[in-house]
Amino acid sequence: NAGVTQTPKFRILKIGQSMTLQCAQDMNHNYMYWYRQDPGMGLKLIYYSVGAGITDKGEVPNGYNVSRSTTEDFPLRLELAAPSQTSVYFCASRSGGRAFFGQGTRLTVV
Amino acid sequence: GENVEQHPSTLSVQEGDSAVIKCTYSDSASNYFPWYKQELGKRPQLIIDIRSNVGEKKDQRIAVTLNKTAKHFSLHITETQPEDSAVYFCAPAVYNFNKFYFGSGTKLNVKP
Repeated sequence: NAGVTQTPKFRILKIGQSMTLQCAQDMNHNYMYWYRQDPGMGLKLIYYSVGAGITDKGEVPNGYNVSRSTTEDFPLRLELAAPSQTSVYFCASRSGGRAFFGQGTRLTVV
Repeated sequence: GENVEQHPSTLSVQEGDSAVIKCTYSDSASNYFPWYKQELGKRPQLIIDIRSNVGEKKDQRIAVTLNKTAKHFSLHITETQPEDSAVYFCAPAVYNFNKFYFGSGTKLNVKP
C-alpha cells in the first residue's frame, strides 16, 4: 500500500496564481484532512472531510477550497495565491484514532 | 474547539537522560490521547496513543500517562538517544472524532 500520497512535493507560485494540491489515499479511510505548517510552528487544520461529498472548514480555511468526489481523493485548491500561503501542506487520512500523513507539499508564493 | 497546550516548547537533554513533555487540553469529552513525532523535513508519525480507560501505556523507551481529572497527559522518553531529536505533537480528541487539533509542538534536542 502506498498510504497517503501528495503531489507535487515542491512548488513555487507567483502572487495571484492558482493551483491544486493533490492528495490520494489507498486505505479506504473515510476521514481526510488538510493541514498547513509554517516554519517552526505547529499544524493548523484547513479543511476536513468525513466522507465522499462531505467537507467542512477547519481553523484556517480562508483562501482555500476543497472537494471530495471519491473516497480516495481530497484535493486542496488555492485561488489567488498570496505570500501568506507560503507553507508546508500536509494531507492526512484517519482510521479510528490514528492519522496517517502524506509526505507534504512545500509551497512558496513569491 | 479543543484548546491544546504543550510544555515545554523546547527541551534539551543529554543522551541517556529522560525527557517529559506535557499536554494540557480543555475538552472534558476527549478520550483519545496520541503523540506524534516529526523529524526534520519529514511527516508527523504516530508513536504512541492511549484511551481514557487506561492510565498509562508503555512501549519500550516511550510511555504515555494520563490524568483525566486534571486534563493533561504526558509523553515520557527514557534513555534518550540522538535519534529521538524531533518535534513532538499531542493531538487529544474524542475517539471517532471528525476533526482534531495539534498542540504547538515541543522541540526535543538530545545532545550526544
